[in-house]
Amino acid sequence: NAGVTQTPKFRILKIGQSMTLQCTQDMNHNYMYWYRQDPGMGLKLIYYSVGAGITDKGEVPNGYNVSRSTTEDFPLRLELAAPSQTSVYFCASTLSSPETGNYGYTFGSGTRLTVV
Amino acid sequence: AQKITQTQPGMFVQEKEAVTLDCTYDTSDQSYGLFWYKQPSSGEMIFLIYQGSYDEQNATEGRYSLNFQKARKSANLVISASQLGDSAMYFCAMREGGWTGNQFYFGTGTSLTVIP
Repeated sequence: NAGVTQTPKFRILKIGQSMTLQCTQDMNHNYMYWYRQDPGMGLKLIYYSVGAGITDKGEVPNGYNVSRSTTEDFPLRLELAAPSQTSVYFCASTLSSPETGNYGYTFGSGTRLTVV
Repeated sequence: AQKITQTQPGMFVQEKEAVTLDCTYDTSDQSYGLFWYKQPSSGEMIFLIYQGSYDEQNATEGRYSLNFQKARKSANLVISASQLGDSAMYFCAMREGGWTGNQFYFGTGTSLTVIP
């Protein structure tokens, strides 16, 4: 009963480096999301996916890429890291049938990324 | 216009007292869901309570209750008998009907401090 698993929990990158943040869920949720949370702020949507093979941009997609080859996995790729990408990153998932009951997000525990 | 508005950046409450965190929302949909999440200093996002737009009763979960006033478009969180462990950031969120994947909106959060 793992829910949403994010790795790594912490990472320090140098400017210009690249990395992939991993996100896996075992709840058979078809919708998955990546958010970033800057210090003292709310959540901003980076990318989302409504199913395997389908991704779309959110509010702040620049500097990031995603893929969704399976229902379970939704990795976030940072290319050419910049200090502005220093943030906490959350992956989340939910079901696509919201008509009844509680259909909120299940969040991962977050990845704290620092770009220096 | 903001979909979710939380007007209280910070709140203080005495231990064992009740506190209300304000949230107003903006939607033209008839079917929607309202959520509250807690984010302690450790950083994870914890689901607290859910209210559906068609629910006639206010939602309750232990010490948490949601004061749902549909005509005023408000969904305030009430925490009774505050505990030191309630000190955290609290986010109000809304999921609109006609769900196509990205209609999940977060407020900017309220920081709650419980004073011994």
